[in-house]
Amino acid sequence: EAQVTQNPRYLITVTGKKLTVTCSQNMNHEYMSWYRQDPGLGLRQIYYSMNVEVTDKGDVPEGYKVSRKEKRNFPLILESPSPNQTSLYFCASTPDRGSSYNEQFFGPGTRLTVL
Amino acid sequence: ILNVEQSPQSLHVQEGDSTNFTCSFPSSNFYALHWYRWETAKSPEALFVMTLNGDEKKKGRISATLNTKEGYSYLYIKGSQPEDSATYLCAFRSIGSSNTGKLIFGQGTTLQVKP
Repeated sequence: EAQVTQNPRYLITVTGKKLTVTCSQNMNHEYMSWYRQDPGLGLRQIYYSMNVEVTDKGDVPEGYKVSRKEKRNFPLILESPSPNQTSLYFCASTPDRGSSYNEQFFGPGTRLTVL
Repeated sequence: ILNVEQSPQSLHVQEGDSTNFTCSFPSSNFYALHWYRWETAKSPEALFVMTLNGDEKKKGRISATLNTKEGYSYLYIKGSQPEDSATYLCAFRSIGSSNTGKLIFGQGTTLQVKP
């Protein structure tokens, strides 16, 4: 089944404890992206990747890192999480960033709480 | 900063009512407009991707129109059913992001359909 998977789905952690949220897609998509969703705000892009080893900042990159060593995986790394990173996180992928028609396929979301 | 606004923020209707909501986006540098449906505890799923002024798309009881010259899109639901309860997100893609695939999301309209 074509899908985007994220792990973990739920995580409660403490300030400063490094964590990684994994994202994997099995559709051979070029473009992958991380978003965070906060109440009253739309989905805001954290980082995106146009292909292997090509990543760039989105609108709210502070406090996050990403890597794209393989096409299918795009982990989100919080080196030193803080309470303001408590949020719902979505990973998404698109077949071809250049086509105007391409919708984004979203993972199931990761709800992160930083105490 | 590109701004995408959705209204209303939330909507409560009775089963069988028809409803519509609005997405406003910058009228210049238009490339594409996406609509997503996001049910609670699930991931957002694409409804429509619209690219041409005057475009009309339909999927069952849900349809959307697009006016790129004035910068708005309407989403219509005919004869709302409880299973239509969800948050509806629109996302704008500018010509400037045609190479990056970046989407700017609105805050969403949350629809609640009462049986």
